[in-house]
Amino acid sequence: EVQLVESGGGLVQPGGSLRLSCAASGFNFNNYWVHWVRQVPGKGLVWVSWINNDGTTTNYADSVKGRFTISRDNAKNTLYLQMNSLRVEDTAIYYCTRDAPHSQFDFWGQGTLVSVSS
Amino acid sequence: QSALTQPASVSGSPGQSITISCSGTSSDFGSYDHVSWYQQHPGRVPKVMIYEVSKRPSAVSDRFSGSKSGNTASLTISGLQAEDEADYYCCSRTNSDTWVFGGGTKLTVL
Repeated sequence: EVQLVESGGGLVQPGGSLRLSCAASGFNFNNYWVHWVRQVPGKGLVWVSWINNDGTTTNYADSVKGRFTISRDNAKNTLYLQMNSLRVEDTAIYYCTRDAPHSQFDFWGQGTLVSVSS
Repeated sequence: QSALTQPASVSGSPGQSITISCSGTSSDFGSYDHVSWYQQHPGRVPKVMIYEVSKRPSAVSDRFSGSKSGNTASLTISGLQAEDEADYYCCSRTNSDTWVFGGGTKLTVL
């Protein structure tokens, strides 16, 4: 069974940092691209970042570029999102999702809540 | 990176058909035809309903179909059922190898 399990969310002050993790199981992790998508509760989905299967190519939404870094450890079947210089507007549930491929986000984690507040 | 444009809400009666549009620029839709649609019920994670404009995952009902013309993609749900009431989001891979979601459409089954 394919599973994606996020962790690392929490409450942080503006300007602070957090590292999110997404543990993958039930499939060959190193064959798939993966993404981070966020959602403010009650609002819409927003794409955040993407990494290719071997970690050599990444991209980011303009709103997080230069502050967030996506990475992966295929030996540990884990995706990461290092979030620095956090802002109040980064408050959201962060989901990791598998790219099936061709931009079919076929499996999603349950999400981890990041709250940025003083 | 503005969101793709979707109507905020649509509604229909059971058995009817509805269509949700998703519009953007030529750069938003890129050259990949990687347009997908997601259904999200309250408190649940998104579920892919359509990918690559018009392909349907095997577990998704054939009442769901997708299409694209120019810079507008569409999701059509035929034979509307109460369980279809949810939020729907389009998503596209862009020419810049970023992805963009639509703002979301709340479907109400009357």
